[in-house]
Amino acid sequence: KAGVTQTPRYLIKTRGQQVTLSCSPISGHRSVSWYQQTPGQGLQFLFEYFSETQRNKGNFPGRFSGRQFSNSRSEMNVSTLELGDSALYLCASSLMRAGGQETQYFGPGTRLLVL
Amino acid sequence: QKEVEQNSGPLSVPEGAIASLNCTYSDRVSQSFFWYRQYSGKSPELIMSIYSNGDKEDGRFTAQLNKASQYVSLLIRDSQPSDSATYLCAVNMGTGGFKTIFGAGTRLFVKA
Repeated sequence: KAGVTQTPRYLIKTRGQQVTLSCSPISGHRSVSWYQQTPGQGLQFLFEYFSETQRNKGNFPGRFSGRQFSNSRSEMNVSTLELGDSALYLCASSLMRAGGQETQYFGPGTRLLVL
Repeated sequence: QKEVEQNSGPLSVPEGAIASLNCTYSDRVSQSFFWYRQYSGKSPELIMSIYSNGDKEDGRFTAQLNKASQYVSLLIRDSQPSDSATYLCAVNMGTGGFKTIFGAGTRLFVKA
């Protein structure tokens, strides 16, 4: 079974631009979460989508948004990029069976550099 | 106080020794706990998940959970140089679905 895929893998943008990152979950997985990883702040939760609805949200400004499509693929958008948005953006997917005992599997990440 | 706290290390152990990694969390109602391993330049890889108090063993890895003390640990027996990585403790604090909060990670070095 193919793993979580993320595109693009690397991206360079300038301040003020916007960016869209894509995540395709493992086949059959319906929950997709997004994380930001930086050396200073570590791995931080952005938001989770399930059945095209945002179910959980972290403490990031409104410049960070996402959506999920009917095939469970998800996109994340960052508008008005700032230098501090330079990070590794990770997507994770999960099956979410009944019972709540679930685990997430991470994709390889998209490395964003904002100049 | 951070929601999930780990000793950042680095922790250095000789090959064949037991490595002990610790984590505390702030949310008393959390039910799902995870340990991930992350090699430099790679994405996190799940090692163990634990949901009930007590020990859970998988090969050389043992996770321990004490909800009353809000404490999770990971023991790595017979440590190998290939175990050298950053170990991330994660707690799902979502009331439905995932809101996984990660600790800062503990850097482990296993010396040959």
